[in-house]
Amino acid sequence: DVKVTQSSRYLVKRTGEKVFLECVQDMDHENMFWYRQDPGLGLRLIYFSYDVKMKEKGDIPEGYSVSREKKERFSLILESASTNQTSMYLCASKKGTDDEKLFFGSGTQLSVL
Amino acid sequence: GNSVTQMEGPVTLSEEAFLTINCTYTATGYPSLFWYVQYPGEGLQLLLKATKADDKGSNKGFEATYRKETTSFHLEKGSVQVSDSAVYFCALTGSTLGRLYFGRGTQLTVWP
Repeated sequence: DVKVTQSSRYLVKRTGEKVFLECVQDMDHENMFWYRQDPGLGLRLIYFSYDVKMKEKGDIPEGYSVSREKKERFSLILESASTNQTSMYLCASKKGTDDEKLFFGSGTQLSVL
Repeated sequence: GNSVTQMEGPVTLSEEAFLTINCTYTATGYPSLFWYVQYPGEGLQLLLKATKADDKGSNKGFEATYRKETTSFHLEKGSVQVSDSAVYFCALTGSTLGRLYFGRGTQLTVWP
């Protein structure tokens, strides 16, 4: 089965730090996504990518950037972490735009103090 | 635009009770509809899907029927188990590069 691996399960950072969240998938998927999950708000899309070096803003891109230099890896970057970015971050991937099943990683719980 | 509205939780049931979680949607075009489930400490996984009107998706005793006339995709299960305790998300595909639009999730807790 497809594996989507997020580099950290728990992460604690200080306000103002630059934070990198890494995601790797092992099944040659074209599309990759970063969501954040907050109680009562569900999943909100931050950024997604449909090809290497291609990226599209989701619904809440402010304060975030992404990098996709290789097909298997999609990184989420918090340029200057703030306390309101404390959240669960979920990475997902899927193959192309016609195959619609999303595969999710287990998530990274980020706390910004 | 595209959006999904699902019933507020939490939902608490006794084992073997009947479950319904309501989901309605707004979409342009002809979306596919999904239910994803998130067990404690895990990422989401696909539970079932339906790709066109009147299709019924089913898996693990759960069912949902794509109702275009009422723009709904309600999740049902005839007899829930403690192991069904999880958060359930309704979702639809949008027209933009394969992204999915999710509802806010419904927490289900089943007591023995």
